[in-house]
Amino acid sequence: NAGVMQNPRHLVRRRGQEARLRCSPMKGHSHVYWYRQLPEEGLKFMVYLQKENIIDESGMPKERFSAEFPKEGPSILRIQQVVRGDSAAYFCASSPAQGGTIYFGEGSWLTVV
Amino acid sequence: KNEVEQSPQNLTAQEGEFITINCSYSVGISALHWLQQHPGGGIVSLFMLSSGKKKHGRLIATINIQEKHSSLHITASHPRDSAVYICAAGSNFGNEKLTFGTGTRLTIIP
Repeated sequence: NAGVMQNPRHLVRRRGQEARLRCSPMKGHSHVYWYRQLPEEGLKFMVYLQKENIIDESGMPKERFSAEFPKEGPSILRIQQVVRGDSAAYFCASSPAQGGTIYFGEGSWLTVV
Repeated sequence: KNEVEQSPQNLTAQEGEFITINCSYSVGISALHWLQQHPGGGIVSLFMLSSGKKKHGRLIATINIQEKHSSLHITASHPRDSAVYICAAGSNFGNEKLTFGTGTRLTIIP
């Protein structure tokens, strides 16, 4: 049973480009969470999704960031018109249900140059 | 003030020593998570607990709900335990909006 799979592991984007980060939850998991870890800072909650629904996006920046978890396929975190301040590690996690054990992916490191 | 506070921020110990990392939280929670982040960056969930004590190998986690305090202990520490240990408070029964501490960087010297 594969764990939470994130790709790409490392992504370099120029300012103004778009970044797409993908997360495939563990098999059987319908709850997905995205967290961001800025350099030298702690992890911060971004968004909580279930299949086809955004449950809580209170941690998402108001502009340029969006997330989806379609019926088929991975969850996508999309950052439009990236800026240097978006450089961070983005972690995805999944759980089988609310209150279940949470499993983290290996993270995607975004560098904006 | 962060809602989840960890201490110490950095800890260096000799191999074999008993390690304690503390976590205090001010938010209401239903569960407290302990996570391990290795130098490569990946995060592993060690424990999720809402009361009492849990043990896995050389790792022990305890929580006191009344005092809003949790501890992570490592017995017979080993250099491979060197990592950043993060506690996170989970609302709404353990998931959703985890609030993270800033982490404790543990270095075990052979």
